Amino acid sequence: GIQVEQSPPDLILQEGANSTLRCNFSDSVNNLQWFHQNPWGQLINLFYIPSGTKQNGRLSATTVATERYSLLYISSSQTTDSGVYFCAVEPYSGAGSYQLTFGKGTKLSVIP
Amino acid sequence: EAGVTQFPSHSVIEKGQTVTLRCDPISGHDNLYWYRRVMGKEIKFLLHFVKESKQDESGMPNNRFLAERTGGTYSTLKVQPAELEDSGVYFCASSLGQGASQETQYFGPGTRLLVL
Repeated sequence: GIQVEQSPPDLILQEGANSTLRCNFSDSVNNLQWFHQNPWGQLINLFYIPSGTKQNGRLSATTVATERYSLLYISSSQTTDSGVYFCAVEPYSGAGSYQLTFGKGTKLSVIP
Repeated sequence: EAGVTQFPSHSVIEKGQTVTLRCDPISGHDNLYWYRRVMGKEIKFLLHFVKESKQDESGMPNNRFLAERTGGTYSTLKVQPAELEDSGVYFCASSLGQGASQETQYFGPGTRLLVL
């Protein structure tokens, strides 16, 4: 099956700093989503981005489908950005299954 | 609009007992998914419903797990009998369902299951 690798596994930032999280995937995808798991364990949708670039406030994401990677940018980080960031992909296939394969996540800690 | 809801939020049971988890998808969403994260592992797909039909149950670990979605609305996931390795967080997700795979999946808060 498709492999999803996220880097770095852990990241510690000073409040106000910028960061880039990376997601590599091993095959073509129909769907790619970025999630933020907050300290309460909830998975919050950040972006649906199988290709191209999107921005939402201090967050932006870029997926280069032909090179099989996606980047999540966090600017001016805040302590509320802490948590685990997951990348999840749906492999391209005609089988009609929309299952997402998740990476192991990047654990972000933003310190005051 | 309400998001995906799951009940209970936590469940602690003894090995051999039965537990039933419930998921209410976003209203109008035809696609419903179950995922789980067991200790130290990635979040893994379990199964996918389109309305009341099982579209893909390739991720179901064994026949101790039974998922239903009667009437195509809410879904239940029953574990019977529960084993220690079933402990983890069970997530439900839903998506709109337009006949194409290119849709955002919205996740519920999860049910934390602990089997003692």
